Amino acid sequence: NAGVMQNPRHLVRRRGQEARLRCSPMKGHSHVYWYRQLPEEGLKFMVYLQKENIIDESGMPKERFSAEFPKEGPSILRIQQVVRGDSAAYFCASSQTTGELFFGEGSRLTVL
Amino acid sequence: QQQVKQSPQSLIVQKGGISIINCAYENTAFDYFPWYQQFPGKGPALLIAIRPDVSEKKEGRFTISFNKSAKQFSLHIMDSQPGDSATYFCAPGGAGGTSYGKLTFGQGTILTVHP
Repeated sequence: NAGVMQNPRHLVRRRGQEARLRCSPMKGHSHVYWYRQLPEEGLKFMVYLQKENIIDESGMPKERFSAEFPKEGPSILRIQQVVRGDSAAYFCASSQTTGELFFGEGSRLTVL
Repeated sequence: QQQVKQSPQSLIVQKGGISIINCAYENTAFDYFPWYQQFPGKGPALLIAIRPDVSEKKEGRFTISFNKSAKQFSLHIMDSQPGDSATYFCAPGGAGGTSYGKLTFGQGTILTVHP
C-alpha cells in the first residue's frame, strides 16, 4: 500500500517560469492538503481539496498560486511566474474523512 | 499573530533521559492536538495525538499531557534514544468543525539524543 506520492522531489526553476507539483494521495483517501515549509520553519497550511472541489484555500497566496484535484489523476499545485521567495519544500498530505494526515516526502522547489 | 508557540527551539538529551517539549496555543476552538516527527529530507509523520476530553495519553515511550485551561500541551519522550533525534512539531487543528487536516504547526524543536 503505497504512501502519498509526490513528484518531482526536486525542481529548479528560473524566475518567471512555472512550477507544477503533483501529489497522488494514499489509496482510498479523498482529502488532499498542501503545506509549504520555508527553511527552518514549521509547515504552513495552503489549501484543502476533495475530488473536483476546493474546500478551503485560506492559506493560498492571492496571486500566482492555484491548486486542483481532478476526478482522475493527481492533485496539482501550480505556481506561475515563480520568484525567489517561492523557494521552499511543498508537502502534500492525504486523509480519509476526518482521520490522520499522512504526508508525502515533499517537493523541494529552488528558484534561481 | 503567532497562534502556536513551541519551546525549546532545540534540545540535547543523553541516551536514556527524558525529553520534554512544550506547545502553547491561542485559538480556543482547536480540538485536535497532535505531535509530528520529521527527519531530514522527509515529510512529517504523526507521532501521537490527543483530543481535549482527556488530559493525558501514553503510547509506548511517548506521552502527551494536555492542559486546557492553560492552553498548553506537551510531549514527553521517556528513555530517549539516538534514533529519536529529529525535529518535532506540535500542530493543533480542527478549529470550527473543519477537517482535522487543517493544522497550525509550531516552529519546531530540534531534538538531539547523544549516545
